[in-house]
Amino acid sequence: GQQVMQIPQYQHVQEGEDFTTYCNSSTTLSNIQWYKQRPGGHPVFLIQLVKSGEVKKQKRLTFQFGEAKKNSSLHITATQTTDVGTYFCAGLLPTQGAQKLVFGQGTRLTINP
Amino acid sequence: DSGVTQTPKHLITATGQRVTLRCSPRSGDLSVYWYQQSLDQGLQFLIQYYNGEERAKGNILERFSAQQFPDLHSELNLSSLELGDSALYFCASSVGYSGAYEQYFGPGTRLTVT
Repeated sequence: GQQVMQIPQYQHVQEGEDFTTYCNSSTTLSNIQWYKQRPGGHPVFLIQLVKSGEVKKQKRLTFQFGEAKKNSSLHITATQTTDVGTYFCAGLLPTQGAQKLVFGQGTRLTINP
Repeated sequence: DSGVTQTPKHLITATGQRVTLRCSPRSGDLSVYWYQQSLDQGLQFLIQYYNGEERAKGNILERFSAQQFPDLHSELNLSSLELGDSALYFCASSVGYSGAYEQYFGPGTRLTVT
């Protein structure tokens, strides 16, 4: 079925290092959303990208949507311990009828202080 | 606090039993989504309701059913429970019916089937 693939599944970094997670779809997406889930918590919406080639920044976080709207990335500069958690991308598939948001498997980020 | 409430927080039950999970969406939100998250797994979409009507279906088992009531709260019913149904069940809400709207997640219900 239609899937949104996310890599890597796990990433461990030293505090201060950069981190990137990638999201790929075999189908062109209408939009893509990113969520963060802290350990023991629930997913929290971070951002939505809609336009081809769109880049958005939130402090140390940079989100990109590919030109073909089939891939996206989240880059964190100079990670801090507060960045620990699982980052999910969720792609909106343009289907007939109800559009469904399909979540990637997530990238779990752990940080060595 | 997302404004979405879920009860109970934890549920422990035996195989073969039936349970009901409850969700109240954020004030003003008409859509309710149900997700299942197993250990170290992503979010599996189960079902969506919009303003009382079923809107979209995901990988929901026939043993599972849901409904949204006139006051917009939703219930997810899980029956003939199996060990593999042990998971975290999240409810999320959004203002619109399409997936283009950001979703606000509740704290989840952790179901343990023994």
